[in-house]
Amino acid sequence: QVQLVESGGGVVQPGRSLRLSCAASGFTFSGHGMHWVRQAPGKGLEWVAVIWYDGSNKYYADSVKGRFTVSRENSQNMLYLQMDSLRAEDTALYYCAREIPSGTFDVWGLGTMVTVST
Amino acid sequence: EIVLTQSPATLSLSPGERATLSCRASQSIGRSLGWYQQKPGQAPELLIYDASNRAAGIPARFSGSGSGTDFTLTISSLEPEDFAVYYCQQRGFWPRTFGQGTKVDI
Repeated sequence: QVQLVESGGGVVQPGRSLRLSCAASGFTFSGHGMHWVRQAPGKGLEWVAVIWYDGSNKYYADSVKGRFTVSRENSQNMLYLQMDSLRAEDTALYYCAREIPSGTFDVWGLGTMVTVST
Repeated sequence: EIVLTQSPATLSLSPGERATLSCRASQSIGRSLGWYQQKPGQAPELLIYDASNRAAGIPARFSGSGSGTDFTLTISSLEPEDFAVYYCQQRGFWPRTFGQGTKVDI
């Protein structure tokens, strides 16, 4: 079945780096734009980044621009988020999500938790 | 950045009642709006895309309307499983943005 599974979260000190992964299955991964969306504990949803279906374009939220990098490996059905210079305010559950032509997200993973703390 | 303002923050209703949720955009986004439902401990689920189109498998009691800056999600008769948080999201401009959410509770 169509599935997204995130991994790579954990506890990290401020200023350090972390790389999140998202494994896709059950659909043609190379045919979809893919997004990262995060949710701080007890808070709402915040869009983080997108990568085009072929990796040709990427956009980021201002809050992570210059610190986070989204990438994908279509041959492996994998999506990544490289997070550098992490801050306490980056603490959140990070979801990967599949975009459909309407620009909305029809498939979500369960998320991976990132905690930035000393 | 497009700011989406949802109201009310909390809607207290009973099963069988009608729920009307609002989402207002800071500038016109045409019909480029989606709605999601999120239950505790779960990922969001797409309900509505392009302002008024139900996603696959979504019951007919959910409907969306609006265009430009004002949008509405209506749940015609609340079922017990509908008590959750609802978010709107615009896809007309970068960065993509979400509203802050409306909690529908008993």
